[in-house]
Amino acid sequence: DTEVTQTPKHLVMGMTNKKSLKCEQHMGHRAMYWYKQKAKKPPELMFVYSYEKLSINESVPSRFSPECPNSSLLNLHLHALQPEDSALYLCASSQAGNVAKNIQYFGAGTRLSVL
Amino acid sequence: SQQGEEDPQALSIQEGENATMNCSYKTSINNLQWYRQNSGRGLVHLILIRSNEREKHSGRLRVTLDTSKKSSSLLITASRAADTASYFCAINNAGNMLTFGGGTRLMVKP
Repeated sequence: DTEVTQTPKHLVMGMTNKKSLKCEQHMGHRAMYWYKQKAKKPPELMFVYSYEKLSINESVPSRFSPECPNSSLLNLHLHALQPEDSALYLCASSQAGNVAKNIQYFGAGTRLSVL
Repeated sequence: SQQGEEDPQALSIQEGENATMNCSYKTSINNLQWYRQNSGRGLVHLILIRSNEREKHSGRLRVTLDTSKKSSSLLITASRAADTASYFCAINNAGNMLTFGGGTRLMVKP
């Protein structure tokens, strides 16, 4: 199973809402990532979890709050977002600690629209 | 910050032709990877080339790496309409992190 599953596929939320994005993988990967991608742009790294601990936060605003409840799950909690946060949010996973094999496997993404 | 720069930004070819995309980067690397993204979908890994490798093949894909020029190229031979997608190079120079280039949007016309 080389699949990373993201839910929901689409999400529309108001600026005062609280919502969560979910990501799941069963490949035994111990590194998981959140990326944000705007149209016609490359993915931009937001957070990296390694062995369930947050190892990298790329200066992401606090209205985005990541959580890694266990080695298979990654959440991104959203609160008080702005319209400019509308984007495709991608989750990825990879083996941890083996740079030579750090191929990342991506989910299909959550298309988020903030009204 | 965007580590890799890709050119061309967009490429349109006929089915059966070859497509070449280039990636330049600025720092030393552990490896360089290429990914494909179909419209609005997740990225799919295509090929990884290590810093001590110069060329790698996978099916119709050929990747070269020139560390002296800090550049890489991806060649897709005998292109098909199904190859229509965006292609990104990704630089690994620290831990597990990847930094993606701007991407090349490839259209293959049947």
